[in-house]
Amino acid sequence: DAKTTQPTSMDCAEGRAANLPCNHSTISGNEYVYWYRQIHSQGPQYIIHGLKNNETNEMASLIITEDRKSSTLILPHATLRDTAVYYCIVSPGGYQKVTFGTGTKLQVIP
Amino acid sequence: DVKVTQSSRYLVKRTGEKVFLECVQDMDHENMFWYRQDPGLGLRLIYFSYDVKMKEKGDIPEGYSVSREKKERFSLILESASTNQTSMYLCASSQNRGPSSYEQYFGPGTRLTVT
Repeated sequence: DAKTTQPTSMDCAEGRAANLPCNHSTISGNEYVYWYRQIHSQGPQYIIHGLKNNETNEMASLIITEDRKSSTLILPHATLRDTAVYYCIVSPGGYQKVTFGTGTKLQVIP
Repeated sequence: DVKVTQSSRYLVKRTGEKVFLECVQDMDHENMFWYRQDPGLGLRLIYFSYDVKMKEKGDIPEGYSVSREKKERFSLILESASTNQTSMYLCASSQNRGPSSYEQYFGPGTRLTVT
């Protein structure tokens, strides 16, 4: 699996957009980028995934650079409930074994 | 809603005991996973299974075994518990078809303490 690099922690003001970066410079052509988050004392929760194109759902947007070596997860209007650890993961299509790193701890500040 | 349940939220066992952690999912998912989570180390994959009676080693299988006799149930077994197996254990499941096969659904976790 390709490895990812994320900042250890970030702060974001409530109501502002939270932009969480992820570097995956060794990503292969068939590997997807996907994001999970883990709120304290809960299991991780899937957020979004993408291959090449930018993606948006009701939770977030995923922006993948053209060379696919990095991506950004965007929470458009962060709330206090978005305080969590966010994991960026890359894995080949159809391959079920994924490796979670240590993620980014996002603190949303009132 | 997909539901993944784990048999206990908290468990305390003694060194040398045989420990069973049970996980059940109700969405007919083919794939099931066991992770452990430790501070500073993130989630690490212990074992996974992509079908009944099938299993694959993850990144840290030593000291663990698994059993999958029914599609909905995946058990993690600590044959002889040791203190370094004190951890949070998380079970997950996913389906094996289409783009949503990358979405894993997690249970609430079992915090195991081995004394």
